[in-house]
Amino acid sequence: EIVLTQSPDTLSLSPGERATLSCRASQSVSSSYLAWYQQKPGQAPRLLIYGASSRATGIPDRFSGSGSGTDFTLTISRLEPEDFAVYYCQQYGSSSYTFGQGTKLEIK
Amino acid sequence: QVQLVESGGGVVQPGRSLRLSCAASGFTFSRYGIHWVRQAPRKGLEWVSVITLDGGSKYYSDSVKGRFTISRDNSENMVYLQMNSLRAEDTAVYYCARETPTYCMDVWGQGTTVTVSS
Repeated sequence: EIVLTQSPDTLSLSPGERATLSCRASQSVSSSYLAWYQQKPGQAPRLLIYGASSRATGIPDRFSGSGSGTDFTLTISRLEPEDFAVYYCQQYGSSSYTFGQGTKLEIK
Repeated sequence: QVQLVESGGGVVQPGRSLRLSCAASGFTFSRYGIHWVRQAPRKGLEWVSVITLDGGSKYYSDSVKGRFTISRDNSENMVYLQMNSLRAEDTAVYYCARETPTYCMDVWGQGTTVTVSS
């Protein structure tokens, strides 16, 4: 099973700043099968990025994804108040799916 | 609108069974695989199971294999999760989610809560 490790666990930033979230895989992941989600308290997750770098429908262009192999990044260029939430990466491989443990993005 | 609605959660004793349901609407159900994903209290997301669009293939996480069974009824636009031999560690919010062609999940339900406790 591929393990995804996200860093940092918590990121404290101010609105307007740039956020960089990392997702590292225990073995190589196909870029086509790496996704990012946002989850706010009491809500279901929302798909942000699929295929490592493609934005899902309705996702603002301040969200971008990059990476390949074992290292992937979610970048939020200028934080808006509504962006403070928990973010998860997710991968698919060999009929199995795993999520990272999450990064909590909090207001500084 | 595209929607998934879970039901069937509740409080159940360890060792007992429960069946969750996921009702789909607003899209051609038979063209999509459907997942179950759970989230224990104050914890992260954990993938549980997936069923392919025609029900021909089913996959499970190691933590539920042999205890949980996923199924679907394309005539009713429903997916089910039969959970047997429940344990305290199965306590979680259970979400159903629609799978995309790139094996991620683009539509999620609101979740149903399962509590396993004596």
